[in-house]
Amino acid sequence: ELKVEQNPLFLSMQEGKNYTIYCNYSTTSDRLYWYRQDPGKSLESLFVLLSNGAVKQEGRLMASLDTKARLSTLHITAAVHDLSATYFCAVDSNFGNEKLTFGTGTRLTIIP
Amino acid sequence: EAGVVQSPRYKIIEKKQPVAFWCNPISGHNTLYWYLQNLGQGPELLIRYENEEAVDDSQLPKDRFSAERLKGVDSTLKIQPAELGDSAVYLCASSAYNQETQYFGPGTRLLVL
Repeated sequence: ELKVEQNPLFLSMQEGKNYTIYCNYSTTSDRLYWYRQDPGKSLESLFVLLSNGAVKQEGRLMASLDTKARLSTLHITAAVHDLSATYFCAVDSNFGNEKLTFGTGTRLTIIP
Repeated sequence: EAGVVQSPRYKIIEKKQPVAFWCNPISGHNTLYWYLQNLGQGPELLIRYENEEAVDDSQLPKDRFSAERLKGVDSTLKIQPAELGDSAVYLCASSAYNQETQYFGPGTRLLVL
């Protein structure tokens, strides 16, 4: 059974600081997704990582994938309040058939 | 482009009552998913459709849950009878053939009393 673990589960950080969210998964996969969820809202796709060594950046967020270590990271640079949300990673456990297994999420709070 | 539409957005029912949720995917998306999201957790897949065929319903509790996707477009998820533990958010998502990203709807928040 595929397990996806994120850490930390809760993160409170000051504006302007940098931090990294980690996503570990238990079985072989080369597809990993990052989503953002605001309170009471649905999930918004941030990144799709499709190969070992993939790196994608959008604004202050950068995601990377190491399939050998079964690890993905979401790095936040110079955090701003608007980035406060819950971030989920999800792993495709069915080799491209899009059966996603989600992590428990990281609730990020940016303090002014 | 319109997103995934779900209704109702909120539903409060008493236990043992039936309830149904409706989803309209993004136009042209042949794959449709229903997820369950408990408070403080990530979504869990209930069922996946390719057009009108349910290709993965292994996580759907078939004793009380049922789903259909007539004509391969809209879908309905039903619970009968509802139990207290069914209180959660039910998310619908869709994707196009060979497209990596799943697009999620706003969800239906169910409260069973």
